[in-house]
Amino acid sequence: NAGVTQTPKFQVLKTGQSMTLQCAQDMNHNSMYWYRQDPGMGLRLIYYSASEGTTDKGEVPNGYNVSRLNKREFSLRLESAAPSQTSVYFCAIMRRNMNTEAFFGQGTRLTVV
Amino acid sequence: GESVGLHLPTLSVQEGDNSIINCAYSNSASDYFIWYKQESGKGPQFIIDIRSNMDKRQGQRVTVLLNKTVKHLSLQIAATQPGDSAVYFCAENIEVWGGGADGLTFGKGTHLIIQP
Repeated sequence: NAGVTQTPKFQVLKTGQSMTLQCAQDMNHNSMYWYRQDPGMGLRLIYYSASEGTTDKGEVPNGYNVSRLNKREFSLRLESAAPSQTSVYFCAIMRRNMNTEAFFGQGTRLTVV
Repeated sequence: GESVGLHLPTLSVQEGDNSIINCAYSNSASDYFIWYKQESGKGPQFIIDIRSNMDKRQGQRVTVLLNKTVKHLSLQIAATQPGDSAVYFCAENIEVWGGGADGLTFGKGTHLIIQP
């Protein structure tokens, strides 16, 4: 999807391992978001960042941390992965002015065993 | 907590027919709604949005209707094509001044199947 790049696309972790999901955008949007998507649950907001230097918890923040490194990058970290964190993770950007621009990355499929 | 939901998990329509996907929301303070399309293995793709001061908005082959009285949102797709097969999500938000946002609340999705 245009403008939002996530890495990696796939990852398998063992319980207790840590990792960081990276997200970068080239559209100069202020707001960035991390969602997880589970079967039958839709997308749930983990954390968001309304602007560089600020982050806030969403609906399901437990077990995660985030860093808004600069305007372009917003990373999601799992300090000690658990099987319950097996999911597909999406980074998104949004700007609402006269015309809305909202884009999601391609997703990171994470499996914790 | 308040949530957004969809009435039907799966909707099957004939190619060329019109389709209507429904969504109910419960947060009366929500003032902004978006419809997304998600194809298998891809991220959600923005389709169309509508603000709460509007009842209807049209795009290319798509129309979103908002009924605030009954807190109902619908997406109409005209002359459906095979490429319309996907999961469709509605999402709601309370608009924050200045362009910042506290994140969208999504429904669980409706799987639209286009039959030949």
